Amino acid sequence: GAVVSQHPSRVICKSGTSVKIECRSLDFQATTMFWYRQFPKQSLMLMATSNEGSKATYEQGVEKDKFLINHASLTLSTLTVTSAHPEDSSFYICSARGVREPNEKLFFGSGTQLSVL
Amino acid sequence: RKEVEQDPGPFNVPEGATVAFNCTYSNSASQSFFWYRQDCRKEPKLLMSVYSSGNEDGRFTAQLNRASQYISLLIRDSKLSDSATYLCVVLPFGNEKLTFGTGTRLTIIP
Repeated sequence: GAVVSQHPSRVICKSGTSVKIECRSLDFQATTMFWYRQFPKQSLMLMATSNEGSKATYEQGVEKDKFLINHASLTLSTLTVTSAHPEDSSFYICSARGVREPNEKLFFGSGTQLSVL
Repeated sequence: RKEVEQDPGPFNVPEGATVAFNCTYSNSASQSFFWYRQDCRKEPKLLMSVYSSGNEDGRFTAQLNRASQYISLLIRDSKLSDSATYLCVVLPFGNEKLTFGTGTRLTIIP
């Protein structure tokens, strides 16, 4: 089946640094990628939707200048958390949908646990 | 009101027992419904889609009640490996974005 690779799986960083998370579709072309954030005991909250070659669409309340999303190719999307603060500590997870796939057929990355000290 | 609501649990159930979860959704225009399973600090994995006629996959049965806007998941003969968080997921009509519930935590006790 389709595979989405997400790296790194865990990041511990100091407050004020930037962290980049990569999401790659390994055996299919992902026209759309979604980025989610999940705090402990809460649901996955969609942060933004990115389509290859265009600007990401951010959900209400998500700062686009803080969470930079780049989807430069059909197999790679990146999320950069700029000037991270402890409140940004969370589980970040990407998902991808291939060309001609139905909306519900998403393939998830394995997630990135971000801890900001 | 949350778009998708679930009882967070935890449900602690003895091995072999039957357990059922419910989920309610607020958008009556929702078109597709799913149950996902998520293990701790892992990605969600699709367990099954939910159809109006109800559907069964082995020990798992899903039901949809559009009139009351709720979805259910029944697990029979529960196994230790069923311990996980079960996420109710809804796709509104004409929307590409899945909406996740907070999940119901299930622990199967030996």
